[in-house]
Amino acid sequence: EAGVTQFPSHSVIEKGQTVTLRCDPISGHDNLYWYRRVMGKEIKFLLHFVKESKQDESGMPNNRFLAERTGGTYSTLKVQPAELEDSGVYFCASSQAPGVRGYTFGSGTRLTVV
Amino acid sequence: KQEVTQIPAALSVPEGENLVLNCSFTDSAIYNLQWFRQDPGKGLTSLLLIQSSQREQTSGRLNASLDKSSGRSTLYIAASQPGDSATYLCAVIQGAQKLVFGQGTRLTINP
Repeated sequence: EAGVTQFPSHSVIEKGQTVTLRCDPISGHDNLYWYRRVMGKEIKFLLHFVKESKQDESGMPNNRFLAERTGGTYSTLKVQPAELEDSGVYFCASSQAPGVRGYTFGSGTRLTVV
Repeated sequence: KQEVTQIPAALSVPEGENLVLNCSFTDSAIYNLQWFRQDPGKGLTSLLLIQSSQREQTSGRLNASLDKSSGRSTLYIAASQPGDSATYLCAVIQGAQKLVFGQGTRLTINP
């Protein structure tokens, strides 16, 4: 089966600009998650979709971050306007049965805000 | 609040040695625990998933154990190879389906 696909793999933007990250989960996986790792810190949860609904968005840092999942398929994470502290690696993961099969992660998007 | 700690932060060993990576967590109310590896600039690759009712899981040269009551897991790598060099991450899964990660152990296997 195809894995979790994320793009772009890298993005460099200026402070104040907008960036949109995209994640295509494994086909048939209802659960989709966003995580991020900022420099020197552990990977942290951002939010969880079940199909097109946000199940848990407690990890979203502030209202500059907006996540959507169109029709329960791919998801986008928009940062607007971007700040320097948003730099890091953003990971997407999907799962059909996390308690039994765990999670499959994408390769991540490395975001650099200058 | 769940906290996951991995020790050591970095480890360098000669090829062929057996080694153990440690992971501890503060809240024993977990559903399962997953070990990942991350190669530089790449995503996370799942290695082993241990459900809360299990004590250990094995895959090839890898063996992961789980002791929920003491809040500990270990990842044992037998006969290490240079290709095992990577960062190894431990993550616990709790009721809200959030993964809580440790900071990882950066492993270097020297030929």
